[in-house]
This record gives sequence, C-alpha cells and structure tokens, in this order.
Amino acid sequence: GENVEQHPSTLSVQEGDSAVIKCTYSDSASNYFPWYKQELGKRPQLIIDIRSNVGEKKDQRIAVTLNKTAKHFSLHITETQPEDSAVYFCAGHTGTASKLTFGTGTRLQVTL
Amino acid sequence: SAVISQKPSRDICQRGTSLTIQCQVDSQVTMMFWYRQQPGQSLTLIATANQGSEATYESGFVIDKFPISRPNLTFSTLTVSNMSPEDSSIYLCSGGGVGTEAFFGQGTRLTVV
Repeated sequence: GENVEQHPSTLSVQEGDSAVIKCTYSDSASNYFPWYKQELGKRPQLIIDIRSNVGEKKDQRIAVTLNKTAKHFSLHITETQPEDSAVYFCAGHTGTASKLTFGTGTRLQVTL
Repeated sequence: SAVISQKPSRDICQRGTSLTIQCQVDSQVTMMFWYRQQPGQSLTLIATANQGSEATYESGFVIDKFPISRPNLTFSTLTVSNMSPEDSSIYLCSGGGVGTEAFFGQGTRLTVV
C-alpha cells in the first residue's frame, strides 16, 4: 500500500520568512495530493491540493509542487504569519484504494 | 464543500463499556472514513464505511472492536466496544468523493478510565 513520509517533524521560522515542508510517497499510482492544516484542538482543514497531471499550484501565499518522477511533493508558505502556526499534514491518494494515506505531520511555529 | 457534524465532541467512559460516535453530512458523499488520532500524532485510518455493506477495515482494526454502520450516503456511526484506557484518543470521521477533497468532523475526544 501507499507510504507517505514527511519532513521535517518540526519547523520554526521568523515571521515574514518562507517555510517548506516536503513529502515523499511510494505508490506511483497515487494521483491526488492534499495538504491539511490542523490547529490545536481543531479538525484538519484542506489548504491546497494538487493532482498528478499538474506540476505546481499556487493560492496566494501557499504553493504546492509535485515531482512525479521522484515521487515527492512540497508545500511552500511565503511571508509567514503567526496564524500560520499549526500542524501540517500531507497525504497521498491512490485511486484503486480510494483512501488517503497521511504523512506524520510537521509542527510549524512562526515566531515574531 | 460539505459540512460534517460529529457527536459527541468528548466523553469520559468506564472501561468495559461501549461508545457510539455519530457523523451526519449535510449532503450526499461517496466515501466516508473513520480515523484515530493520538495527541501530537498523525491520522490513522480505522476503516472505510461502505453504504449498505460491511466496512473495510485497515490492518490492526477489527469489526468486533470497532463496528461501523453506514445506512445511507449522509450518515455513519463508529462504536468503540469493550473499551480500555488504550482506546483513549481522538476519533474523526471524514467524507468526500473519490480523489477529491476530504473534509472532517470536529472529532470526538474519548477518555477511558
């Protein structure tokens, strides 16, 4: 089955700096890669996603890149703000399994 | 996107008892799933709730311990049976289409004493 690895487990950046979180996946049939943000005590919320037929997608300060050949994808947050502090999860979806496999999560701390 | 209402939001239960968690979606969804999340950790899939048939369980999870119902395309329940302190965790349901956004209920924080 699918295996998703995520790095780093914790990330501390200063406000205004950029943050990058990286994930790798094992199943070459995976075709959908969402990113979720989970604030303390809250449910995970989708922030951006990308499909396997696209190499990059951007939404304001957030972007995701996908390298199908290397089987890795990354989340980029620019001009970070304190409200970006949360745990971020990547996930991979394989059509045949019709389910998401989540990475281990990255705790992002944006300091003033 | 759809909205999932999950209840209860939290509960404290005696060991040996059972708790049923409910999730109601405000629109029909193809897929519904149940996850467990230990504090500070990732989401572990328990099972896929199949409408009108038995759920599909992941390795390490069995129907006798986590019976699941899904009578229609908007509702599902998860029961945590014969609970022990090791079952203390956050349980989350999610719904969505195939290869599309999955959205989550607010979670149930279960403490077994």
